[in-house]
Amino acid sequence: DGGITQSPKYLFRKEGQNVTLSCEQNLNHDAMYWYRQDPGQGLRLIYYSQIVNDFQKGDIAEGYSVSREKKESFPLTVTSAQKNPTAFYLCASSMGTGGIGGQFFGPGTRLTVL
Amino acid sequence: AQSVTQLDSQVPVFEEAPVELRCNYSSSVSVYLFWYVQYPNQGLQLLLKYLSGSTLVESINGFEAEFNKSQTSFHLRKPSVHISDTAEYFCAVSDVRSGGSNYKLTFGKGTLLTVNP
Repeated sequence: DGGITQSPKYLFRKEGQNVTLSCEQNLNHDAMYWYRQDPGQGLRLIYYSQIVNDFQKGDIAEGYSVSREKKESFPLTVTSAQKNPTAFYLCASSMGTGGIGGQFFGPGTRLTVL
Repeated sequence: AQSVTQLDSQVPVFEEAPVELRCNYSSSVSVYLFWYVQYPNQGLQLLLKYLSGSTLVESINGFEAEFNKSQTSFHLRKPSVHISDTAEYFCAVSDVRSGGSNYKLTFGKGTLLTVNP
């Protein structure tokens, strides 16, 4: 079955530690995205990538970093510089222009900073 | 820049009652419109979308939404809801850019639909 996988589902980290969230897709989609979801705030775009080896900052990129070395993978690192990292993180992908087909989402990773 | 306003943060209804979840958007260009549904602790699932053509679009599970350009709205409706429809619903917009990618979705803050027995 084609889809997007995110791991782990739940993640706990201590303050001051970097942590990497995994996102893999086997839909052969060109574009991938990372969103952060907080209660009552909807989804906010962190980073997106339209092709391999290229990515752009979204609306709230500070304290996060990404890489796109392979078409199917788009890991997100939450660094110690992110002041309030506890949130639900969602990865998505789309075939080229996301506006027509919409974006397809993974199941999410819930990050809690202790 | 685009924006999306979902007018109700929570909508409680009884089973088998009709429901309308409201969505208004603002954009200086033509748009594509989407409704997504999110069940607890899960990702978002695309419910339906408007790209062009008929202004009334339907999903496979009985929801429908109507694009109203003059009122810049894309309200989601269902004539009779089930307990299983309890979820959070997000409206999203993407602008139609000619000659380039239109990758970015702008989301509303969501409406929590709670269906009570």
